[in-house]
Amino acid sequence: DAKTTQPTSMDCAEGRAANLPCNHSTISGNEYVYWYRQIHSQGPQYIIHGLKNNETNEMASLIITEDRKSSTLILPHATLRDTAVYYCIVKFNKFYFGSGTKLNVKP
Amino acid sequence: EAQVTQNPRYLITVTGKKLTVTCSQNMNHEYMSWYRQDPGLGLRQIYYSMNVEVTDKGDVPEGYKVSRKEKRNFPLILESPSPNQTSLYFCASSPRSRVDTQYFGPGTRLTVL
Repeated sequence: DAKTTQPTSMDCAEGRAANLPCNHSTISGNEYVYWYRQIHSQGPQYIIHGLKNNETNEMASLIITEDRKSSTLILPHATLRDTAVYYCIVKFNKFYFGSGTKLNVKP
Repeated sequence: EAQVTQNPRYLITVTGKKLTVTCSQNMNHEYMSWYRQDPGLGLRQIYYSMNVEVTDKGDVPEGYKVSRKEKRNFPLILESPSPNQTSLYFCASSPRSRVDTQYFGPGTRLTVL
């Protein structure tokens, strides 16, 4: 399974867009990219996933590069409640939650 | 309300005393799974079940048992808990067609003394 690399932490001002990057340079053609988040000690929450096309839902947008080696999760208008650890996951057979990115949304 | 529930939410016990953590979902999901979360190690899958009476080991199954006699319930059993099983445990469920978009429970914080 492909491994992912994410920054350990990021800050974002409330009301601004939060752009969370993820590198997955060893991704193979049939592996999807998933994003989850975990608000302090709560159960992880599914956000969005995609294969090669950009995706958007009510929570976020997912931009996947053409070579599929990286992706960006975009929260268009971050709020304080979006402060959480965000996990980028690439999975074919097995789901692996790594360390994620701690997003701090500040007033 | 669609949800995954776990009980208890907090438990402190002693080494060797058998315990069960219950997990129940009301979404008629086929797939259910147990994870443990430890600092620096992320979430690791313990066991999963694709449907009633079908269970499989995840990455860290040692010291745990599960059963899936009903679709809605997936209890996690620790026959003889040890301190290294002190952790935060999550149950999750999803439709069989979308096993990767899982709904997680609120977590059970277990301490084994």
